[in-house]
Amino acid sequence: DGGITQSPKYLFRKEGQNVTLSCEQNLNHDAMYWYRQDPGQGLRLIYYSQIVNDFQKGDIAEGYSVSREKKESFPLTVTSAQKNPTAFYLCASSRHHIGYQPQHFGDGTRLSIL
Amino acid sequence: AQKITQTQPGMFVQEKEAVTLDCTYDTSDQSYGLFWYKQPSSGEMIFLIYQGSYDEQNATEGRYSLNFQKARKSANLVISASQLGDSAMYFCAMRVAETSGSRLTFGEGTQLTVNP
Repeated sequence: DGGITQSPKYLFRKEGQNVTLSCEQNLNHDAMYWYRQDPGQGLRLIYYSQIVNDFQKGDIAEGYSVSREKKESFPLTVTSAQKNPTAFYLCASSRHHIGYQPQHFGDGTRLSIL
Repeated sequence: AQKITQTQPGMFVQEKEAVTLDCTYDTSDQSYGLFWYKQPSSGEMIFLIYQGSYDEQNATEGRYSLNFQKARKSANLVISASQLGDSAMYFCAMRVAETSGSRLTFGEGTQLTVNP
């Protein structure tokens, strides 16, 4: 079955450490997105990518970095510059970056500080 | 800038009854899409229904329908014949034209509880 796979499901970060969240899709979608969700709140866009080797900052990009070397993969690195990284991170993809195709989501990664 | 407002932090409904979840939006764009997602306690986001700004008829998907009132900028989700499995967080979201990367703007969500 096609879908979006996020790993790991749970992740713990030590102070000063960078961690990378994995997002892989086999839907042949062009566009991919990373969102952050804090408890009791909606989703906020961190980064998005419309095509391979291209990505754009979203609303809360500070302290995060991404790459898009392959169509299927869009990893998110939470750097030590992100002072409050504890949150639920969701990756999404859509067929195109234009139009109104729905975004499909992975199951998320919960990141906590040790 | 776009904004989604969901004014009901929590809603309760009896099993088998219908429930309406409110959503209002704000945008200066003429072309946009409105989406509803369901988020169970496990965390995944499940796409439910979509309404385009130029669609003349309200969208329906099984037990879900979208009450779209363009002049009032509202896009309420109606769930008919509620089931216990409908208990979840529900998010309204909007997507405008590609100038903004077609990002989704989400509301704060409504926690729906279906009582037996």
